[in-house]
Amino acid sequence: AQSVTQLDSQVPVFEEAPVELRCNYSSSVSVYLFWYVQYPNQGLQLLLKYLSGSTLVKGINGFEAEFNKSQTSFHLRKPSVHISDTAEYFCAVTHSPTGNQFYFGTGTSLTVIP
Amino acid sequence: ETGVTQTPRHLVMGMTNKKSLKCEQHLGHNAMYWYKQSAKKPLELMFVYNFKEQTENNSVPSRFSPECPNSSHLFLHLHTLQPEDSALYLCASSQDPSGYEQYFGPGTRLTVT
Repeated sequence: AQSVTQLDSQVPVFEEAPVELRCNYSSSVSVYLFWYVQYPNQGLQLLLKYLSGSTLVKGINGFEAEFNKSQTSFHLRKPSVHISDTAEYFCAVTHSPTGNQFYFGTGTSLTVIP
Repeated sequence: ETGVTQTPRHLVMGMTNKKSLKCEQHLGHNAMYWYKQSAKKPLELMFVYNFKEQTENNSVPSRFSPECPNSSHLFLHLHTLQPEDSALYLCASSQDPSGYEQYFGPGTRLTVT
């Protein structure tokens, strides 16, 4: 069985400071990894994804994530956050190659403080 | 309209009511999904449709009944719900059954009284 753990349920950070949102997964097979963002009263929007190749993945809005197979992690980072980054962030994993089933974490609420 | 749309955005219903949620995708995708999002819980996949055929039903109670008349539309029919069914119901679609990149609608906030 697969599972996704987001270790921090809430992360407050000051504007222009760096942030890291942690995600660990458990899987015995190859995985595809995703980060989604959910702004208030909206659906989920894809930030970035790792399918194969370079382990450092760059996404929208200045976010990036690094796939670390040995640590089964896919942490999300941004060097300088903005007020508009305040949102809920979800890590998700799916199997390769037949990935209908997405497994989501419980989410991390990022609050950027002015 | 672009992307994935859902109606209504908010719904309040009694336990004896019957209602339906609607999802429409304008992306030309072939797979559609229903998720339930409850506070402090991971998103729960409820149903998956590939090319209009249901391929996943994750032990969802029969009071939730999906319908996919074509690859652009997905419905979730609700009847005799319980208060614990109150949640945000999200629809998503993907290009193909691999589902590697799912596009989500804004959700329907359901309250069962």
